[in-house]
Amino acid sequence: DTGVSQDPRHKITKRGQNVTFRCDPISEHNRLYWYRQTLGQGPEFLTYFQNEAQLEKSRLLSDRFSAERPKGSFSTLEIQRTEQGDSAMYLCASSLGGPVAFFGQGTRLTVV
Amino acid sequence: AQTVTQSQPEMSVQEAETVTLSCTYDTSESNYYLFWYKQPPSRQMILVIRQEAYKQQNATENRFSVNFQKAAKSFSLKISDSQLGDTAMYFCAFMKRGEYGNKLVFGAGTILRVKS
Repeated sequence: DTGVSQDPRHKITKRGQNVTFRCDPISEHNRLYWYRQTLGQGPEFLTYFQNEAQLEKSRLLSDRFSAERPKGSFSTLEIQRTEQGDSAMYLCASSLGGPVAFFGQGTRLTVV
Repeated sequence: AQTVTQSQPEMSVQEAETVTLSCTYDTSESNYYLFWYKQPPSRQMILVIRQEAYKQQNATENRFSVNFQKAAKSFSLKISDSQLGDTAMYFCAFMKRGEYGNKLVFGAGTILRVKS
């Protein structure tokens, strides 16, 4: 499968725990994006990488959120001290610099 | 800041008929892209069609076409000969052209149900 891959697909965690999600973009795609989608809403931009550099972060990305893309390949999104409001679908997308982004299937996070 | 509004939370259509999904947006930019993405249940979001703002001609992809009205900031999607596989959430999205962060700004989505 050469599409965008996200792991895990589902995560249930207790409030206060830390969670980490992984995204493997399409090979050679230099741009990688994270979005958050809550139930009944469209995705909202969280952050963007060009190669290994994190070039933009949304104000939605609080201090409890951190994202990395070491070596410009896969990316991780970590949420520390999870809260119930963090429950959402976390989407990763990648592109080769052009306007078309390819999305993964997402990681659905449930904080209980 | 850009905003995208989809005023139809849900739509339904009979198989083989035509349906139009509405989208309006607000921006002060002159150079941008508009997209329609489809998100089937429990599946990844895929691009349906895109329009570049500088092009006057409306984009078409097989059964999918758009009506792009730049002055009115309107971007509707027409699906002809609807098929059961078209059942999905449809998102209208805006992207500013630029060097960095070609991030998408999405509307809230329209659930489309195709009935047999």
